[in-house]
Amino acid sequence: DAGVTQSPTHLIKTRGQQVTLRCSPISGHKSVSWYQQVLGQGPQFIFQYYEKEERGRGNFPDRFSARQFPNYSSELNVNALLLGDSALYLCASSLELRREQYFGPGTRLTVT
Amino acid sequence: GNSVTQMEGPVTLSEEAFLTINCTYTATGYPSLFWYVQYPGEGLQLLLKATKADDKGSNKGFEATYRKETTSFHLEKGSVQVSDSAVYFCALSDQNRDDKIIFGKGTRLHILP
Repeated sequence: DAGVTQSPTHLIKTRGQQVTLRCSPISGHKSVSWYQQVLGQGPQFIFQYYEKEERGRGNFPDRFSARQFPNYSSELNVNALLLGDSALYLCASSLELRREQYFGPGTRLTVT
Repeated sequence: GNSVTQMEGPVTLSEEAFLTINCTYTATGYPSLFWYVQYPGEGLQLLLKATKADDKGSNKGFEATYRKETTSFHLEKGSVQVSDSAVYFCALSDQNRDDKIIFGKGTRLHILP
C-alpha cells in the first residue's frame, strides 16, 4: 500500500505570494495533520482534520489555513508568504483519532 | 504546557559504539512517548514508542524506557552502525487531550566507519 504522499516535493515562492500544499493520506485513513519543520528544529503542529472538520490548531497566524476533502485528502494554504515560512511541511495521517500517525516525505518550501 | 527537551547534537560515534541520546519531558497529563528518526532527505519514521510508565519501547536494536519518576525517555543502542546516521526526535502526545505531537529539537547522529 502507498504511504502518505505530498505534492509538490519542492517549491520556491516570493514574499507576499500564496501557496497551496497537498497531501493524500494512506488509504482508509480519515485524519490528516500538518506540521511545519524549520531547518534545525523539530516539527511544530499546525492543524488536524478529521472527517473534514478541524479538530486542532497550533499557534500559527491566520495566514495559515487548511481543509480536508470528502476523499480525506487535504490542502494547506499559506497567504502573504514571509521569509520565515521557509520550512519543510509535513503531512501525517492516521486511521482514526488517537491512533498512530504516519508521516509523508514533506514539501520543502523556500520563500525568497 | 507540555514540552520535550533532548540533548543537542551533533553526536559523533564510531561504528559499534554504545549510543545514548537523552530526552526529558514536561507534561501535565499521562502522555505517550515516542522516538522518531529522519534520514537525509526523508520524512519522519516512528522508531519506537511507550504509552505508560515503565513501558520499554524497542525496534531495530534501539530501546527506550518510560521513566515517570525522572520524566525521561532516553534512547539507547548497544552497537551503532553507519546506517544509523540520521536525526532523532524525541516526542510526546497526550492522546487524552488531542492528537498533537510535541517534538524536541532533534539530535543529529553521525556514525563513522
